[in-house]
Amino acid sequence: DQQVKQNSPSLSVQEGRISILNCDYTNSMFDYFLWYKKYPAEGPTFLISISSIKDKNEDGRFTVFLNKSAKHLSLHIVPSQPGDSAVYFCAASARGSNYKLTFGKGTLLTVNP
Amino acid sequence: DTAVSQTPKYLVTQMGNDKSIKCEQNLGHDTMYWYKQDSKKFLKIMFSYNNKELIINETVPNRFSPKSPDKAHLNLHINSLELGDSAVYFCASSHYAGARGTGELFFGEGSRLTVL
Repeated sequence: DQQVKQNSPSLSVQEGRISILNCDYTNSMFDYFLWYKKYPAEGPTFLISISSIKDKNEDGRFTVFLNKSAKHLSLHIVPSQPGDSAVYFCAASARGSNYKLTFGKGTLLTVNP
Repeated sequence: DTAVSQTPKYLVTQMGNDKSIKCEQNLGHDTMYWYKQDSKKFLKIMFSYNNKELIINETVPNRFSPKSPDKAHLNLHINSLELGDSAVYFCASSHYAGARGTGELFFGEGSRLTVL
């Protein structure tokens, strides 16, 4: 029962272009969404988050968009840099869940120089 | 100066053995977690402790027993290891926000367990 789905296992973009990573969720109780980035042999690191009361959150080159009616969120990286090459995990939590995050399978982003 | 550290990073052992993975955080967080990343790459929560009290206990076999001697440490002990236990186990920590159900987790580097 995948409550958080990242349907693209991989994405390849050119340096300087925009990277768009997508995430869908099924649990309508989710009210907080996060993106984590993971390099090989390292733990995931927090990137950006968004509360369900917002539809957009921006932090430098990273912007997360939330479409609650479609139960869809996306992470935009612009401009993409080779150092952005990593696995990106979408995660969601529900109010009162004691920080129980439900993760997607991840999308491997490769940014080509 | 590692924020969340796990030992060992790699562990290869035989079926039926008992093993432990240790985790320590120096971030002053009061909540710690164990996540498992299996062969299908899903990261799934196993346990969470807040101030040494178990607050999340997902459907995990009884062979897995977490122990939190203090709020900076959360160890994972696994009895009678099985082939299906092979995975990467991640420890994480965060501040506790109670009913808000939100939070940024800080993960360790992971411990890759291989059961032969």
